[in-house]
Amino acid sequence: DAGVTQSPTHLIKTRGQQVTLRCSPKSGHDTVSWYQQALGQGPQFIFQYYEEEERQRGNFPDRFSGHQFPNYSSELNVNALLLGDSALYLCASSPGGRDGEEKLFFGSGTQLSVL
Amino acid sequence: GQQLNQSPQSMFIQEGEDVSMNCTSSSIFNTWLWYKQDPGEGPVLLIALYKAGELTSNGRLTAQFGITRKDSFLNISASIPSDVGIYFCAGQLISRPDSWGKLQFGAGTQVVVTP
Repeated sequence: DAGVTQSPTHLIKTRGQQVTLRCSPKSGHDTVSWYQQALGQGPQFIFQYYEEEERQRGNFPDRFSGHQFPNYSSELNVNALLLGDSALYLCASSPGGRDGEEKLFFGSGTQLSVL
Repeated sequence: GQQLNQSPQSMFIQEGEDVSMNCTSSSIFNTWLWYKQDPGEGPVLLIALYKAGELTSNGRLTAQFGITRKDSFLNISASIPSDVGIYFCAGQLISRPDSWGKLQFGAGTQVVVTP
């Protein structure tokens, strides 16, 4: 049973560029959340997708957008990259029903470096 | 920014010692969770707590949901080398659909175990 998979594992971009990160949820999960983890900090909630729609969003600018596909996989897009966007981006999945919705299963993340 | 205050920031302990860490919040949470993150990996759920005063164990780990609902504690007994890592507390404000999967994380406690 595959867990949460993310790609790529590492990425280097320059300021102003755009980036797309990908995530496949754990089998049986239909909800995907994205978190940003800066060095030395805990993860911060970006947004969550359920039934192909953004269900809720954290305090991140509109440069951060996402998408969920019918197979529940998800993408995170960041436009006009800033140096401060350098971080580990974590994808987490959870079952869509009430039971266990808080028990997030995390992928290994994509380490994004903006130069 | 993060609302959870996690302490201590780091701990250097000898193998066999017990470890204690705690997390406090300015907000009331209905769910507390404890995660562990190893280098290059995403956080892994250790324990989930759902009721004020609840005490839950998972092997050598024991966690408690504070009575005020604004704090939680994690204890690791008889530490071993594989306990090395960063431990995060996380809270969920309220159990309703628009908060599902939206966790607030502390900044983490780095645990180093020496033989």
